Amino acid sequence: QKEVEQDPGPLSVPEGAIVSLNCTYSNSAFQYFMWYRQYSRKGPELLMYTYSSGNKEDGRFTAQVDKSSKYISLFIRDSQPSDSATYLCAMSRDTDKLIFGTGTRLQVFP
Amino acid sequence: KAGVTQTPRYLIKTRGQQVTLSCSPISGHRSVSWYQQTPGQGLQFLFEYFSETQRNKGNFPGRFSGRQFSNSRSEMNVSTLELGDSALYLCASSLGGTQTIGYTFGSGTRLTVV
Repeated sequence: QKEVEQDPGPLSVPEGAIVSLNCTYSNSAFQYFMWYRQYSRKGPELLMYTYSSGNKEDGRFTAQVDKSSKYISLFIRDSQPSDSATYLCAMSRDTDKLIFGTGTRLQVFP
Repeated sequence: KAGVTQTPRYLIKTRGQQVTLSCSPISGHRSVSWYQQTPGQGLQFLFEYFSETQRNKGNFPGRFSGRQFSNSRSEMNVSTLELGDSALYLCASSLGGTQTIGYTFGSGTRLTVV
């Protein structure tokens, strides 16, 4: 069983929809939680990071961490075609290597 | 400000050959990490270098090696290539103080082994 599980999708939604992306994990020692976005033929770019539990909002993006359930989420409000990409969750214990999910492919159609 | 530069972008090699990939981090970044990305396994950590020393290592065979130079540029080498080594190899740089936050990735080198 992988340490981080993420549904690969693809997830296809109409423009303007609210998107929910999720990851579950098994290692309770993880403290740092991140979401990366990866466009085709590009490297991942950091979208948001959260330390420990709680919510964090940045524009149309909200990251949630529930350590008791070992579950993290990324919500995208008012989704745009430019949000079409692969979204990767990542987490780490401390100053340690990042463990990534396999990524969810999102397509937002006009 | 220049980003993380990886060369070459694409590479085709034959089984049994060896290959060297290069990564130039963002100016001032001292930590360089390497990841392998495949459709089935996602991103898997290879190793991390900080100030020319390997600080962390993933679970890859000894055929995968790396090094970092005094200017923080890094190379990774794969010897005796196998078909399963076909992947996108990503380099990420950071300041190194808070290692895992603030990674900036390059666009990767796509290696195809035939």
